[in-house]
Amino acid sequence: GAVVSQHPSWVICKSGTSVKIECRSLDFQATTMFWYRQFPKQSLMLMATSNEGSKATYEQGVEKDKFLINHASLTLSTLTVTSAHPEDSSFYICSARVEYYGYTFGSGTRLTVV
Amino acid sequence: AQKVTQAQTEISVVEKEDVTLDCVYETRDTTYYLFWYKQPPSGELVFLIRRNSFDEQNEISGRYSWNFQKSTSSFNFTITASQVVDSAVYFCALNLMDSNYQLIWGAGTKLIIKP
Repeated sequence: GAVVSQHPSWVICKSGTSVKIECRSLDFQATTMFWYRQFPKQSLMLMATSNEGSKATYEQGVEKDKFLINHASLTLSTLTVTSAHPEDSSFYICSARVEYYGYTFGSGTRLTVV
Repeated sequence: AQKVTQAQTEISVVEKEDVTLDCVYETRDTTYYLFWYKQPPSGELVFLIRRNSFDEQNEISGRYSWNFQKSTSSFNFTITASQVVDSAVYFCALNLMDSNYQLIWGAGTKLIIKP
């Protein structure tokens, strides 16, 4: 149980375009969703925390206008990278709090901006 | 300050050797949870263990074992008789007892098991 399905697994987009990453909780209700970014050979960096029905709370240094997070329902949270540039290329991971396990993670999205 | 330190950036051992990954944490909370996750090259995080601050019993799961010592704020992870499939990056994490229960992540230890 407690599965988060993240799509797409990988995406290549042109500089200046926007990309949407979706995370769906398949068998539970995700009240809180965390969005992480991971650069090669580095740890996970928390970008923002979103609670269903509320605006996301962004970590210091994360541009909220560039990384739009929507958590409009208990089963869907999205991250949209707007006007993407090569420096936005990274591995993005969503995670939801789960009562017993603690946390469950999406499989990640590898974004490459060319 | 709340912090997790994994001082070993990379460890390389030959298959069948035992290996221990260190994790030291700092927190002012008296109630907290510690986690270990495995991240293979595919990138997907694999949950290994969760331990709460009141349970200092060591845990063994097959070839994996964990040593939790509050006195030294450490939560070390040992793989016995390592296998090539154990090659991955391993992360230790601490959750904050704030309203959102954020995770504080260590830098990770890359484990390479050579055949």
